Amino acid sequence: QLQESGPGLVRPSGTLSLTCSVSGASFSSSRYYWGWIRQPPGKGLEWIGSFFHDGTISYNPSLKSRLTISVDPPKNELSLQLDSVTASDTAVYYCARENNYCTSTSCLRDYMDVWGKGTTVTVSS
Amino acid sequence: QSVLTQPPSASGTPGQGVFISCSGSSSNIGSHYVFWYRQFPGAAPQLLIFRNNQRPSGVPNRFSGSKSGTSASLTISGLRSEDEAVYFCAAWDGRVDGLWVFGGGTQLTVL
Repeated sequence: QLQESGPGLVRPSGTLSLTCSVSGASFSSSRYYWGWIRQPPGKGLEWIGSFFHDGTISYNPSLKSRLTISVDPPKNELSLQLDSVTASDTAVYYCARENNYCTSTSCLRDYMDVWGKGTTVTVSS
Repeated sequence: QSVLTQPPSASGTPGQGVFISCSGSSSNIGSHYVFWYRQFPGAAPQLLIFRNNQRPSGVPNRFSGSKSGTSASLTISGLRSEDEAVYFCAAWDGRVDGLWVFGGGTQLTVL
């Protein structure tokens, strides 16, 4: 189970901070990535970034300069921080569990099978 | 502008079949698996098809996926009113450090 939380309104040029509470799973497992995806109003999905158990964090290049993704294992929380926000960052933000598919020769990024309900963030003055 | 290209809308009558296309490039669909997600209004996306043509448990065999070259498709047979939703395709894109890319979504209307 995943549950996003955070402020619903952020001022332009401010920082968007969200938390995803993860229950029933551990960040230490190599079976999963833990990520963020967003969806602007009436538009499609945009991958933001993901955390892997070894500490590797992958970011969408278009957001990388403003983005920080981290985890707090004792609290079982995944966090997102997006700096210098503008109206274009207005979206529903989802956290999701992404599977890590490993064969005998390699590991591949795989399906996202567990999603939070999403939290709406509006950037406005 | 989404990296993967889908038609914005599709429609069909109950019992009919519907085909939704998804076009990409060599860095994404051409070299990685394709996934399909379904989203009902006000809800999070749900996994529908994984690794091009695999169905998670609970997804009926009316839903099927295929991939050829840099394109993929989702076929829904025996259309039902509850299939009305937005359908997204997705793939890993191996450019630079890699990233997930999505289609813009196809609104399916059951007439």
